[in-house]
Amino acid sequence: GQQLNQSPQSMFIQEGEDVSMNCTSSSIFNTWLWYKQDPGEGPVLLIALYKAGELTSNGRLTAQFGITRKDSFLNISASIPSDVGIYFCAGSYAGGTSYGKLTFGQGTILTVHP
Amino acid sequence: DTGVSQDPRHKITKRGQNVTFRCDPISEHNRLYWYRQTLGQGPEFLTYFQNEAQLEKSRLLSDRFSAERPKGSFSTLEIQRTEQGDSAMYLCASSFTVGQGRGAIYEQYFGPGTRLTVT
Repeated sequence: GQQLNQSPQSMFIQEGEDVSMNCTSSSIFNTWLWYKQDPGEGPVLLIALYKAGELTSNGRLTAQFGITRKDSFLNISASIPSDVGIYFCAGSYAGGTSYGKLTFGQGTILTVHP
Repeated sequence: DTGVSQDPRHKITKRGQNVTFRCDPISEHNRLYWYRQTLGQGPEFLTYFQNEAQLEKSRLLSDRFSAERPKGSFSTLEIQRTEQGDSAMYLCASSFTVGQGRGAIYEQYFGPGTRLTVT
């Protein structure tokens, strides 16, 4: 099925460093969501974006909805060990016969070394 | 707030057997989604309910798969004559959404998933 192009696929960083990841699509979306997933668990919603150009923060996390509506970015500042996990972007296009189903990226695996 | 719950968390079955999974959404949520996730991939959409009506199905949902949401509350996903390729994590998500199109809210909250292994 269709998936978004998410990069990087994995990151190995030192505790305290900042992290950036992004997601691109060939189609426009009107909602972008970012999730974090721990092994054996379901994705947990981190940030939701609804407007092109929107910049939203949740603690040390900041995400942006690209102005072209075809991309989104997630930044994590001052990483800590509990940031370890897989981060997924997800886009949704609502309109016509679409009812808000999410299309996911392949995920970015984040490893934080203490 | 009890969140989305799924049962069972793990299921091991032999090829050819039928399995059924249950999802209980957040109580006030009117929309319920099923996704499937294989190792190393993001979740893929399977089907969606608004209240009790099943409004969209992915082509991934073969004739062996059926989903129901009686009375618009919990939902079940049944897989008949399981195949080894059905092995995956099956995720349920719910949302409270008003209307559709731009301006509707599409924040989906996921349950812990059901891990299916077909031997």
